[in-house]
Amino acid sequence: GENVEQHPSTLSVQEGDSAVIKCTYSDSASNYFPWYKQELGKRPQLIIDIRSNVGEKKDQRIAVTLNKTAKHFSLHITETQPEDSAVYFCAADTGANSKLTFGKGITLSVRP
Amino acid sequence: KAGVTQTPRYLIKTRGQQVTLSCSPISGHRSVSWYQQTPGQGLQFLFEYFSETQRNKGNFPGRFSGRQFSNSRSEMNVSTLELGDSALYLCASGSTGGSYEQYFGPGTRLTVT
Repeated sequence: GENVEQHPSTLSVQEGDSAVIKCTYSDSASNYFPWYKQELGKRPQLIIDIRSNVGEKKDQRIAVTLNKTAKHFSLHITETQPEDSAVYFCAADTGANSKLTFGKGITLSVRP
Repeated sequence: KAGVTQTPRYLIKTRGQQVTLSCSPISGHRSVSWYQQTPGQGLQFLFEYFSETQRNKGNFPGRFSGRQFSNSRSEMNVSTLELGDSALYLCASGSTGGSYEQYFGPGTRLTVT
């Protein structure tokens, strides 16, 4: 089955700096790659996603890039703010049956 | 539209008991997936229902089961509870069988003592 690995497990950046979180996946059939943000005590929130027919997608300060050949995708957050501090999960899905395989999550801390 | 709702939000059960959790998806969504979240294992897929049919199942024992009703509401049941079943159980709502985006409910925090 699919295996998604996420690294690093923790990341600390200074407010205003950029943050990059990388994930790798194993199943070449995966064609959908969402990113979720989970704040303490809250539900995972879908923040951006990308499908395999697209190499990059942007939404204001966040962007996701996908390299199908290398089987990795990355989340880029620019101009980080303290409210970006949370756990970020990447996931992969073949898109067939809504079965997301998640990475272990990364704790992002933005220092004011 | 109202978001995904889950009831109850918190549960405390003892080993050996059974529990039923409920999830109401976003209006119009027909797919409901269930996930278990623990600090050690992260988010793990349990099963997915679409139009009252289970279409996919994760690697959990048969004590974990679910169903979906004609109004798309879904329930999951855990029988013979074990201490290791303590977790946050999240359901996610998807708009169609082939859709990709999933939106999570607030979860049910289950504690087994």
